[in-house]
Amino acid sequence: EVQLLESGGGLGQPGGSLRLSCAASGFSFSSYAMSWVRQAPGKGLEWVSGISGSGGSTDYADNVRGRFTISRDNLNNTVYLQMSSLRAEDTALYYCVKDSFSGSGDYWGQGTLVIVSS
Amino acid sequence: EIVLTQSPDFQSVTPKEKVTITCRASQSIGSSLHWYQQKPHQSPKLLIKYASQSLSGVSSRFSGSGSGTDFTLTINSLEAEDAATYYCHQSSSIPRTFGQGTKVEIK
Repeated sequence: EVQLLESGGGLGQPGGSLRLSCAASGFSFSSYAMSWVRQAPGKGLEWVSGISGSGGSTDYADNVRGRFTISRDNLNNTVYLQMSSLRAEDTALYYCVKDSFSGSGDYWGQGTLVIVSS
Repeated sequence: EIVLTQSPDFQSVTPKEKVTITCRASQSIGSSLHWYQQKPHQSPKLLIKYASQSLSGVSSRFSGSGSGTDFTLTINSLEAEDAATYYCHQSSSIPRTFGQGTKVEIK
């Protein structure tokens, strides 16, 4: 059974940093790209970042590029999102998503809530 | 950036009715269009991939069609459990984008 367990959310200060983690199990982790998708309270889904199975290729949404860094540890089946220079508009539930070979997100975690506020 | 526009934003439907949700892309994305269902307080669930490919474990009442810029999600014979927000999503180019969502309410 595929499981994605996010952690690391919480209250962050404007301009501060947070690091999200997603522990994956139940599939051949290094064979699949992973993504982070966020959802602001009461709003729709927003793709944030993605990383290839090897970790050699990363992509970012324009509004987080240069502030967020995605990475993965294929030995420990974990994907990370390092968030810096936090802004109020980064407040959201952050989902860890396993990408299928079609590019669709076939498994989603339960999300970890990030609140940016002073 | 490819913009996905869904219509309608909201639909109130009687059980057993058919629901049609459309998703229009700002440029051609081939068949790299996927549909998700999100129920309140739950994570999104993949319903359809590559515009029309059904998935194991997903009710056969859900079907998708389209290619290029115009896509449709159809829910046949709506059931109460289908009350949710539905999103389209493109994986054709970076940044990946989602439609704004269509909320389906059961009358």
